[in-house]
Amino acid sequence: GAVVSQHPSRVICKSGTSVKIECRSLDFQATTMFWYRQFPKKSLMLMATSNEGSKATYEQGVEKDKFLINHASLTLSTLTVTSAHPEDSSFYICRGPREIGYTFGSGTRLTVV
Amino acid sequence: GQQVMQIPQYQHVQEGEDFTTYCNSSTTLSNIQWYKQRPGGHPVFLIQLVKSGEVKKQKRLTFQFGEAKKNSSLHITATQTTDVGTYFCAGPRHNNDMRFGAGTRLTVKP
Repeated sequence: GAVVSQHPSRVICKSGTSVKIECRSLDFQATTMFWYRQFPKKSLMLMATSNEGSKATYEQGVEKDKFLINHASLTLSTLTVTSAHPEDSSFYICRGPREIGYTFGSGTRLTVV
Repeated sequence: GQQVMQIPQYQHVQEGEDFTTYCNSSTTLSNIQWYKQRPGGHPVFLIQLVKSGEVKKQKRLTFQFGEAKKNSSLHITATQTTDVGTYFCAGPRHNNDMRFGAGTRLTVKP
């Protein structure tokens, strides 16, 4: 089946720094990619949908300037958490489009200290 | 808007006991999906149900979609320690996305 490669799997960063998370589709071309955030013991909340070659679509309440999403090619979508703060610590995970079978990336556990 | 309610939030069983988690939607769903997330892992797609009254089985897992396509259940027969994790249902949203239930966290005591 389709594979979505996400990295890093874990990252610890200092407050105020930025962190980039990458999701690559290894065996398919994705015009869209979905980015979720999951707090401990909670469900997945959609943050935004990245669109290849155009602006991402953000969910209500998600800060566009803080969570920068770029979909520069059909195989790469990135989420950059800018000026990270401890409250941004969470599990971030991407998901490919329905056409490739609802495949999630392996997730990135971000800890901001 | 559409909501997917899932219960129970937690379920602790003795190995060998059965387990069921339920999902209810406020609106009719065109389909419903089920995922399993192991502790520390990412959600893994289990199955999609599309037809009214549909029942599908995967070994010890039985998935049902209600006649009105507003509810669904996942039943595990004779749980094993490998069944530990959180089970999510998800209904379709706009833009090819899904809306996830809150999840049911299953723990199994050996």
